[in-house]
Amino acid sequence: GQQVMQIPQYQHVQEGEDFTTYCNSSTTLSNIQWYKQRPGGHPVFLIQLVKSGEVKKQKRLTFQFGEAKKNSSLHITATQTTDVGTYFCAGGSASKIIFGSGTRLSIRP
Amino acid sequence: GAGVSQSPSNKVTEKGKDVELRCDPISGHTALYWYRQSLGQGLEFLIYFQGNSAPDKSGLPSDRFSAERTGGSVSTLTIQRTQQEDSAVYLCASSTPYLPEAFFGQGTRLTVV
Repeated sequence: GQQVMQIPQYQHVQEGEDFTTYCNSSTTLSNIQWYKQRPGGHPVFLIQLVKSGEVKKQKRLTFQFGEAKKNSSLHITATQTTDVGTYFCAGGSASKIIFGSGTRLSIRP
Repeated sequence: GAGVSQSPSNKVTEKGKDVELRCDPISGHTALYWYRQSLGQGLEFLIYFQGNSAPDKSGLPSDRFSAERTGGSVSTLTIQRTQQEDSAVYLCASSTPYLPEAFFGQGTRLTVV
C-alpha cells in the first residue's frame, strides 16, 4: 500500500542552527501537508502544498513540494526553543491522508 | 462541536480487560481516522472511515482491535483483552473534502497495568 516515509526520526540541534526534515512517498501525491505536534499535544496543521515544485514560507519555515509530487521538505532557519516538537508530513491521495512517521526536533539552548 | 472530542482523556485498565475509546468528530466531517502513538514515537495508522464506504482496516494490529462509526458520525475503537503493549495515546482525527487538513482530538492516553 501507499507509504509516506520521513527522515530523520530524531534531530537534536543547538539553538540558532538550521533544521530540515524530508518526506518521501511511494506514489504520486495530490497534495502534501505538514503538521506540528508540541510535546504533550496533538498534531496541528501548518500548511498544504498542492503544485509541483511549490515553495511556501511561514516566517523561518520553508516548505517545498518536489517536481514529481512524491517528496517534500520542511526547513527551519535559525531554530528557537519554541520550535521544539515533532513535525509530520502527510500525503493526500484521493480522499485519504497518510501521515509520515514524524521527525522529533529537540533544541539545546 | 467546535473540535474533535475524545473520551475518556485517560484510561487505566487491567491486562485482559476490554476498553472502548470514543471519538466525536467535527460535525459534517465525512472522514475519520484513528491513530496510535507510543511514547516519543510517530503516528501509527489504525483505521480510516470515509462516508458510507467500507472502512480501511489495514492498520489494525490484531483481531483484538475493532472500530465502528455509527451514523457517519461518532466512532468507537474497541480493544479486547488488552495487553501492556497496547499502552499508548490513541488519537482520532476528522476531515472534510472542503478543507485540506485533518483536525485531531486531544487523544486518549491508555495505560494497561
